[in-house]
Amino acid sequence: NAGVTQTPKFRVLKTGQSMTLLCAQDMNHEYMYWYRQDPGMGLRLIHYSVGEGTTAKGEVPDGYNVSRLKKQNFLLGLESAAPSQTSVYFCATDDPGQGNRQPQHFGDGTRLSIL
Amino acid sequence: DAKTTQPNSMESNEEEPVHLPCNHSTISGTDYIHWYRQLPSQGPEYVIHGLTSNVNNRMASLAIAEDRKSSTLILHRATLRDAAVYYCILRDVTGGTSYGKLTFGQGTILTVHP
Repeated sequence: NAGVTQTPKFRVLKTGQSMTLLCAQDMNHEYMYWYRQDPGMGLRLIHYSVGEGTTAKGEVPDGYNVSRLKKQNFLLGLESAAPSQTSVYFCATDDPGQGNRQPQHFGDGTRLSIL
Repeated sequence: DAKTTQPNSMESNEEEPVHLPCNHSTISGTDYIHWYRQLPSQGPEYVIHGLTSNVNNRMASLAIAEDRKSSTLILHRATLRDAAVYYCILRDVTGGTSYGKLTFGQGTILTVHP
C-alpha cells in the first residue's frame, strides 16, 4: 500500500521547457490537491479536484494546468516553465465521506529547479 | 479562513514533554483544529485534530481551551525524530469550494536536543 506517490522526485528544467508531474494514489480518495512550498514558507494550494473529470483553481494557479482523467491520478503541468516556479511540489488526497475532519495524506514531494 | 498564530521556533530536550501553542482568536463554531507536522525533506504528516474536547492519540495530545481561542499540541516525550515544523490549521466543516483546502501558515520549528 503505497499511499500517495509522486513522480519524478527531482527535476531540473530550462526556462520555457514544459513538463508534467504525476500524482498517483491507491486509497480510493475523491479529493486530490497540488500544493507548492517555497523555502521557509508554508504550503500554498495550486489546483485541486473533487472527483474524476473535475478540477478547480486554488490560491496560486497561474502558469499551471491540471487534469484528473482517472480517479487515482492527478497531473500537474507546466507549459512554459519560469524560474519563479522553482519550488517543491506536494500532492495530497483526502475523502469527504466523513466531512472536513478527515486528514489529508501527502506525497513526499517533487523538487523542481528551473534555470 | 480563520487565522492561527504560532511561535516561529521552540526548543526541547530529548525525552522531555513539549507544549506547542497555537492562538486562533477568530475561530468559528464550525472550525476543527488540525495539527500537521513536516519532517525535513518530507511531505506534511497528520498529527491530530479536535473540535472542543481534548484529544489523545498515539502521536500526541491536543488540549483545547474552553473558549476555543487557543490550543496546545503536547508531545509527551520528545524524540530526535520529532524535530519538524508543526502547523496548526483551522478546517471548516461547512463545505463549499474551499471544502478540503488546508491553509498553511509558517508553523513552529521544533528543535530537539539530545
